[in-house]
Amino acid sequence: DTAVSQTPKYLVTQMGNDKSIKCEQNLGHDTMYWYKQDSKKFLKIMFSYNNKELIINETVPNRFSPKSPDKAHLNLHINSLELGDSAVYFCASSQEFGSLSGTQYFGPGTRLLVL
Amino acid sequence: GNSVTQMEGPVTLSEEAFLTINCTYTATGYPSLFWYVQYPGEGLQLLLKATKADDKGSNKGFEATYRKETTSFHLEKGSVQVSDSAVYFCALSLLNAGGTSYGKLTFGQGTILTVHP
Repeated sequence: DTAVSQTPKYLVTQMGNDKSIKCEQNLGHDTMYWYKQDSKKFLKIMFSYNNKELIINETVPNRFSPKSPDKAHLNLHINSLELGDSAVYFCASSQEFGSLSGTQYFGPGTRLLVL
Repeated sequence: GNSVTQMEGPVTLSEEAFLTINCTYTATGYPSLFWYVQYPGEGLQLLLKATKADDKGSNKGFEATYRKETTSFHLEKGSVQVSDSAVYFCALSLLNAGGTSYGKLTFGQGTILTVHP
């Protein structure tokens, strides 16, 4: 019954490795997002997809590559992990594409720690 | 650019105390405004929203009024409970130049609220 799910919940890895985080939503929404939350709780959008098409890319390093195989999934692949990538990554979705008032539904987050 | 500023935390209150978390924004147009809440170990969830000036959003005893003249959207609750302990985020969404916002949310820095019995 989980609306927006992410896997894994925790990810501990070494610098230089490549890792992926998966996100799935069963709400039938058209738009999905990735956010990064740093250690001070500051939350910033990274990417947004609508119907599998990239809409927002907020000057994220190209080591981060989102992939949307279908509109229910938005995965995040990170190459050559760096210490500064340690954060909590949240996936979200919304139905009202292009609407100011659309509610976003967030997943539980993936806690990434790069050693 | 667009930005949201929240009062510095953390905020610590006793149960049944009155809560105010200040939020002001800067935007080049007329945004929609939101409060999201993040309970420990969870993702964010929408608490309330307002889409135009003088609208009041309310939910679970929380309220916030969209004040265009002061560019503010302060969150209030008359009597907090221990279960309200969480991080509260103010956010805005604004139409871009092309007329669609793509739902992009700009968040404030979050305010940690702790309520003691």
